[in-house]
Amino acid sequence: NAGVTQTPKFRILKIGQSMTLQCTQDMNHNYMYWYRQDPGMGLKLIYYSVGAGITDKGEVPNGYNVSRSTTEDFPLRLELAAPSQTSVYFCASSYPYLLANTGELFFGEGSRLTVL
Amino acid sequence: AQSVTQLDSQVPVFEEAPVELRCNYSSSVSVYLFWYVQYPNQGLQLLLKYLSGSTLVKGINGFEAEFNKSQTSFHLRKPSVHISDTAEYFCAVSEPGGGNKLTFGTGTQLKVEL
Repeated sequence: NAGVTQTPKFRILKIGQSMTLQCTQDMNHNYMYWYRQDPGMGLKLIYYSVGAGITDKGEVPNGYNVSRSTTEDFPLRLELAAPSQTSVYFCASSYPYLLANTGELFFGEGSRLTVL
Repeated sequence: AQSVTQLDSQVPVFEEAPVELRCNYSSSVSVYLFWYVQYPNQGLQLLLKYLSGSTLVKGINGFEAEFNKSQTSFHLRKPSVHISDTAEYFCAVSEPGGGNKLTFGTGTQLKVEL
């Protein structure tokens, strides 16, 4: 059982470039999330989705976009990369709706992005 | 809006000694509380959670936490730590009906030394 898979694990971007971080889960979870982790800051929610076709902004959405065309996939797009987007990005998913409020998020191993 | 405070950014402790990692939260409504652990270069995994019921919650790897509503705290404890417990620990909070959107604290780095 693969769980939550993120690609790529590492990437270096130049200022102004664009890229997409891929996230896929094989647990049939309705809810999916993107967080960014910065040293000493904990994790901040960028975007989340409660099901295919439904997305919403989290705490720090500026500079990012998401889509959710299938239950399994939740890609995060960075447009016009900036040094402030240097971070470790984590995708997570959680149980189907009726069990959604259990708090257990399943995390991927992270994608480390550097913008120079 | 809810928030979480982890006052200790780093906690050094000797192996087999007890440890307590502190977490305080603020919220205008009832909350669910969680501790997650992150080992180096890995994602986060759930250690334990409080949703309702008994205020003393037991988790994996011998950890436990106590929910104290009057103190708005959810401190994590382990009576005897092992080298393998070296990791970063995050306290998190969510609101019932909030779609599992977790608000995380800034994390506490636990370093277990011989």
